Amino acid sequence: RKEVEQDPGPFNVPEGATVAFNCTYSNSASQSFFWYRQDCRKEPKLLMSVYSSGNEDGRFTAQLNRASQYISLLIRDSKLSDSATYLCVVIRYGQNFVFGPGTRLSVLP
Amino acid sequence: DVKVTQSSRYLVKRTGEKVFLECVQDMDHENMFWYRQDPGLGLRLIYFSYDVKMKEKGDIPEGYSVSREKKERFSLILESASTNQTSMYLCASSLPRRGKYEQYFGPGTRLTVT
Repeated sequence: RKEVEQDPGPFNVPEGATVAFNCTYSNSASQSFFWYRQDCRKEPKLLMSVYSSGNEDGRFTAQLNRASQYISLLIRDSKLSDSATYLCVVIRYGQNFVFGPGTRLSVLP
Repeated sequence: DVKVTQSSRYLVKRTGEKVFLECVQDMDHENMFWYRQDPGLGLRLIYFSYDVKMKEKGDIPEGYSVSREKKERFSLILESASTNQTSMYLCASSLPRRGKYEQYFGPGTRLTVT
C-alpha cells in the first residue's frame, strides 16, 4: 500500500462547479499536511497547508481528519485556471516530504 | 523572488553514461532535495541534504549519488545511466524553520536514457 494515496482522476467539471478531492495516508505518525498544485509541464507549488481545525483560502477549503487519516480539498466556483494536478503532501518527520500521485482536475467552459 | 534553477530542461543520454544534473538555489536555504516524478507514482525522494557536505538517502537512492560542496548547489549523479532512469527529475529547496515547510521547486529536467 502506498503511503499517500489519491484518486488520479481526471475530474472533469464545468466552470462554477464545486469539486472535492480526498487523500488518505497510512503513517499515523505523520505530522504535517499540505496541498500542492502542479500545472501541466510545470513544477509543483504550494497551494495551502492543512490544519486539524480546517482552513480556508478564498475558494479553497482544506480539512484534516486524523482519526480516519485523510485530507480533503474543496474548490468552490471552479475557474478554468484551476485546471491542474493537485498533489497531497504529508511530512513524516523533519522535512521528509511524501507526495501523493496527484489528482488531475479539468475545468471545462 | 525565490528561484531554483536546474542545468537542463531536456537531456538525452545513452545507457552506461555518467550523468550530472545540477541544481542551484539563490534563497540561502539549508535543505535541498532531489525527486523523480513518474506517471502514476508521483514524486519520489531520491536524496536530500540538510547542509553542505551532508546527504541522506531518500526512498529510492539506488543507482544515484549526490554532491553538495556549496550551500547553493546540489548535484545528482547517475553513475551509469540505465533506461529505467528515464524520468522527470525535480530539485527543491526549503528552510528548516519550525512552521516553514514550503518546498520551492526547480523547473525540472526531463531525462531520456536510450
